[in-house]
Amino acid sequence: DGGITQSPKYLFRKEGQNVTLSCEQNLNHDAMYWYRQDPGQGLRLIYYSQIVNDFQKGDIAEGYSVSREKKESFPLTVTSAQKNPTAFYLCASRPSGVGTDTQYFGPGTRLTVL
Amino acid sequence: DQQVKQNSPSLSVQEGRISILNCDYTNSMFDYFLWYKKYPAEGPTFLISISSIKDKNEDGRFTVFLNKSAKHLSLHIVPSQPGDSAVYFCAASGNSGYSTLTFGKGTMLLVSP
Repeated sequence: DGGITQSPKYLFRKEGQNVTLSCEQNLNHDAMYWYRQDPGQGLRLIYYSQIVNDFQKGDIAEGYSVSREKKESFPLTVTSAQKNPTAFYLCASRPSGVGTDTQYFGPGTRLTVL
Repeated sequence: DQQVKQNSPSLSVQEGRISILNCDYTNSMFDYFLWYKKYPAEGPTFLISISSIKDKNEDGRFTVFLNKSAKHLSLHIVPSQPGDSAVYFCAASGNSGYSTLTFGKGTMLLVSP
């Protein structure tokens, strides 16, 4: 079964702790993305990566970090510098090629910082 | 500054009727538009897309219309079914060269039996 997996579904952390959210895809997609969704808001882009070992900041990258050591994996670390980390985090991937702007999403991780 | 706007936070429709969800954009560099459907606590599901070279794209019960001069697109669902009840996001790409998507804030559609 091809798809995008995010784990865990729900995550709780104490304030001041860093936490890493997992995103794995077996679709052979080159590009991967991280978004955050807050109530009543659309999806806002945190980071994205077009190829392995390369990534760019999105609109709200402050307080987050990523790595892209493997094509299949794009973990997101929410650091203690992120002022409002409680949110629903979504990972997406996109196939390469012309005319392939469609992104496909994982099931999401709900992060709650206590 | 919102580049993609969905001005209706919610829409209620009766089963069997047409649902029309609207989306406006301000960036003239956008050239590809998408609609996603999202249930609570789940990832968005891709529904339908349209390139700026077209003005209509149809897939089963879903049709997207694009009016470039008005920078407006709409999603029509005919006939609407209770299972269509979800939040619908409009998204646009083409302004960065990196195929990033800019999303609207979503419209919650409720289809009642």
